[in-house]
Amino acid sequence: EAGVVQSPRYKIIEKKQPVAFWCNPISGHNTLYWYRQNLGQGPELLIRYENEEAVDDSQLPKDRFSAERLKGVDSTLKIQPAELGDSAVYLCASSSDRGETQYFGPGTRLLVL
Amino acid sequence: DAKTTQPTSMDCAEGRAANLPCNHSTISGNEYVYWYRQIHSQGPQYIIHGLKNNETNEMASLIITEDRKSSTLILPHATLRDTAVYYCIVITGTYKYIFGTGTRLKVLA
Repeated sequence: EAGVVQSPRYKIIEKKQPVAFWCNPISGHNTLYWYRQNLGQGPELLIRYENEEAVDDSQLPKDRFSAERLKGVDSTLKIQPAELGDSAVYLCASSSDRGETQYFGPGTRLLVL
Repeated sequence: DAKTTQPTSMDCAEGRAANLPCNHSTISGNEYVYWYRQIHSQGPQYIIHGLKNNETNEMASLIITEDRKSSTLILPHATLRDTAVYYCIVITGTYKYIFGTGTRLKVLA
């Protein structure tokens, strides 16, 4: 069974530029999560989707971050414009349903110069 | 949300058992304990979870104390590939994973 797929794996951009990350969850998983992981820290939840609906986005900085999950499968996380402090690893995870075990992708490492 | 406390780092000799403790003294009766690990430059990998009873799978064993205030993850025969950061997480009623800084386990040859 294929795991969670994320792309790109690495991205280097200049500040004020836009950037987007893509996630394809495990087939059949209804719940999808985006996390941000700063260096030396554990991941922090940004947003959780149940099917197409964002049910927990309280930690998403809405002035510059946006996310979508069209058709309840793939998801995209966007930052516009990026700031130096956005440099981090962005992780996507999925679970069959809320409360079930989450499975993580390899992450996208973002460096903002 | 229940908070977990783990040692910052531990060393273990290759081939020996690695015992990683976690304190979760504020855990509620219906909250599960999950363990993940993160090898450098990879996403967190699920290891095991439990509610009250001890659990074992092909990767590890999880021992939860009777009062549920602490648990221990046991890797029975640690290898160099087990070197990673290990996270203990208590899953709340809001289904949110709250990661701490974890325990950095180094397996020594």
